[in-house]
Amino acid sequence: DAGVIQSPRHEVTEMGQEVTLRCKPISGHDYLFWYRQTMMRGLELLIYFNNNVPIDDSGMPEDRFSAKMPNASFSTLKIQPSEPRDSAVYFCASSLWDSPDTQYFGPGTRLTVL
Amino acid sequence: KQEVTQIPAALSVPEGENLVLNCSFTDSAIYNLQWFRQDPGKGLTSLLLIQSSQREQTSGRLNASLDKSSGRSTLYIAASQPGDSATYLCAVEARYTGANSKLTFGKGITLSVRP
Repeated sequence: DAGVIQSPRHEVTEMGQEVTLRCKPISGHDYLFWYRQTMMRGLELLIYFNNNVPIDDSGMPEDRFSAKMPNASFSTLKIQPSEPRDSAVYFCASSLWDSPDTQYFGPGTRLTVL
Repeated sequence: KQEVTQIPAALSVPEGENLVLNCSFTDSAIYNLQWFRQDPGKGLTSLLLIQSSQREQTSGRLNASLDKSSGRSTLYIAASQPGDSATYLCAVEARYTGANSKLTFGKGITLSVRP
């Protein structure tokens, strides 16, 4: 298996633009997690899905952030409009239903908002 | 709210040294604790997972211990090597009703092992 795939790996955009980050979980995994990592706040859980259904989005910072999982093999995290303080590395992770705490992380997307 | 602290933020040691990385958490009602490794520009890789009922876990040169009552965990690395250089994060899981689960991470300790 190729592991969790994220695209793009790097994204540079200007304030106010829409940004879409993409994730393909490991085939057969039931849980999908979106995290954000910054120097100041460390790694924070934004939202997670179980069987394509959002379970907990309490970590989503504000309405500018939205996440979808239209099917078991694809998820997006969208920021609209983006702001400089959104600059961070965004990770996607997935896990199986019987061991949700054993999460496999993707390589991350480094987002820079100018 | 659960808070996880890892101090110091960075550590540099000579090759061959045995070392201990510390992690502390504020809420002892945890389901489990994990140690992860993160290499620059990469995602996280789980190293060891300790269930709340366990005291320690071992994998090769790594040994992790858990003391729930004091809210502490340590990761012991024996005979450190330059290849151990990475950032080490600990994370605790609190299991809520309804089979939800969330990991709370520390900010990590960046380890540099000098040849």
